[in-house]
Amino acid sequence: DAEITQSPRHKITETGRQVTLACHQTWNHNNMFWYRQDLGHGLRLIHYSYGVQDTNKGEVSDGYSVSRSNTEDLPLTLESAASSQTSVYFCASSESIGVAGNTIYFGEGSWLTVV
Amino acid sequence: QKEVEQNSGPLSVPEGAIASLNCTYSDRGSQSFFWYRQYSGKSPELIMFIYSNGDKEDGRFTAQLNKASQYVSLLIRDSQPSDSATYLCAVISGGGADGLTFGKGTHLIIQP
Repeated sequence: DAEITQSPRHKITETGRQVTLACHQTWNHNNMFWYRQDLGHGLRLIHYSYGVQDTNKGEVSDGYSVSRSNTEDLPLTLESAASSQTSVYFCASSESIGVAGNTIYFGEGSWLTVV
Repeated sequence: QKEVEQNSGPLSVPEGAIASLNCTYSDRGSQSFFWYRQYSGKSPELIMFIYSNGDKEDGRFTAQLNKASQYVSLLIRDSQPSDSATYLCAVISGGGADGLTFGKGTHLIIQP
C-alpha cells in the first residue's frame, strides 16, 4: 500500500546542532507539507512544496528549510536547533490543492526534543 | 490572517448520545472543510470533508456547513468510547495555496 513515512520517529538533540527530519511518500503526490504541533497552538504549517524544485514558506518557517529534489521526498532541516523547536513534526501530502474533496494524508509524526 | 476557531473542551458526552463539535472560520473565501480525528500520540486521520452548504452523512458522522454564518460542525451519533479523541477542524481557503489551516482541536470524551 502507498504510504507516507517519517524518520526518525523520536530524536533528542542538543541546542545549536543541525537536524534533518526525513519524509517519504509513495503516492506520487505533487504536494507535500510540514507541520508542527504544540499544545495551545495546534497544527501550524512550516513549509510546503507543490512539486520538484518548488518550496514555499508557511506560517512558522523561521529556523527551518526544505528541499525537493524528487517527488517522493521532502526533508525538513533545522539549521541550528533551539529549545523552542521541541515539538511533534508531521509531514503530509496531497494529490491536489484547492479541489473540492482534496485530502491531505499525514505521516506518523517525528517527536523532536532539543536540550 | 486566516483563523479557525474551536472550543478546546473537554466535551464530555454519555455513551450512545450525540456529540456535537463546532468550528468557525474567518476567511469567507474558504472552499473546502475537513474534520480530522487525532488520538493521543498519533497522527491526524481524515473523518470527513464537505464543500457544499448543508449536511453530509457518512455512517455515524454528519458534517454540516453554513457558509453564510461561516461555521462547520460535526455530529457523531451513537457515540462510542472509541470516539474519545481530539477532533480537528481544517479549512482550505482561496486557491488552497498554503494547504490546510487547522483549528486547535476539541477534546471529546465519551463516558461509558
